[in-house]
Amino acid sequence: DSGVTQTPKHLITATGQRVTLRCSPRSGDLSVYWYQQSLDQGLQFLIQYYNGEERAKGNILERFSAQQFPDLHSELNLSSLELGDSALYFCASSVAQGAPQEKLFFGSGTQLSVL
Amino acid sequence: AQTVTQSQPEMSVQEAETVTLSCTYDTSESDYYLFWYKQPPSRQMILVIRQEAYKQQNATENRFSVNFQKAAKSFSLKISDSQLGDAAMYFCASKHYGGSQGNLIFGKGTKLSVKP
Repeated sequence: DSGVTQTPKHLITATGQRVTLRCSPRSGDLSVYWYQQSLDQGLQFLIQYYNGEERAKGNILERFSAQQFPDLHSELNLSSLELGDSALYFCASSVAQGAPQEKLFFGSGTQLSVL
Repeated sequence: AQTVTQSQPEMSVQEAETVTLSCTYDTSESDYYLFWYKQPPSRQMILVIRQEAYKQQNATENRFSVNFQKAAKSFSLKISDSQLGDAAMYFCASKHYGGSQGNLIFGKGTKLSVKP
């Protein structure tokens, strides 16, 4: 067990809908990262938050947004969902700002299916 | 831009034998880290081994070792005495200092099967 908790584990929804994915980092970790894993794009970095502030941004669509709350849990909001948004969404956490030597601990992911 | 390439979509190994998974990368950075992650059917990404680019000595973790060739930008993973539990997707990844520090760049993965 990595200590990173993601809910829900599975989510099925329809096109055009909006969903929220939740992540609780390991105790003491200040950074939260979101990754998307899909068959065609592979694993892609979406966004990082450090202690409540956006730290780095990757290939995140404008329809997607995230935030990190004072208790350090994070939520990824996906809106106007399309079929192509179906993917496994991972959350990871690390102890500080995300220097390369920091270990990332991954959650088990949320499998999103858009029908 | 950084890229990571895994040229073997699938590999197979007999139990107790040795297998090597290939990875090449491209970066203009001088300081970076390289990683191998394992993703079993449970889906969770598990760090197998990591290598600091400034270190010439190859990293080892029990049955797992890497062959890091910095000039060739090659970072292969060797699994010795393969076990059934090693069956999984293996991803090579890189990460560098500066810029988007949280940005792990992953390869497409290699699916490893272990035959009893």
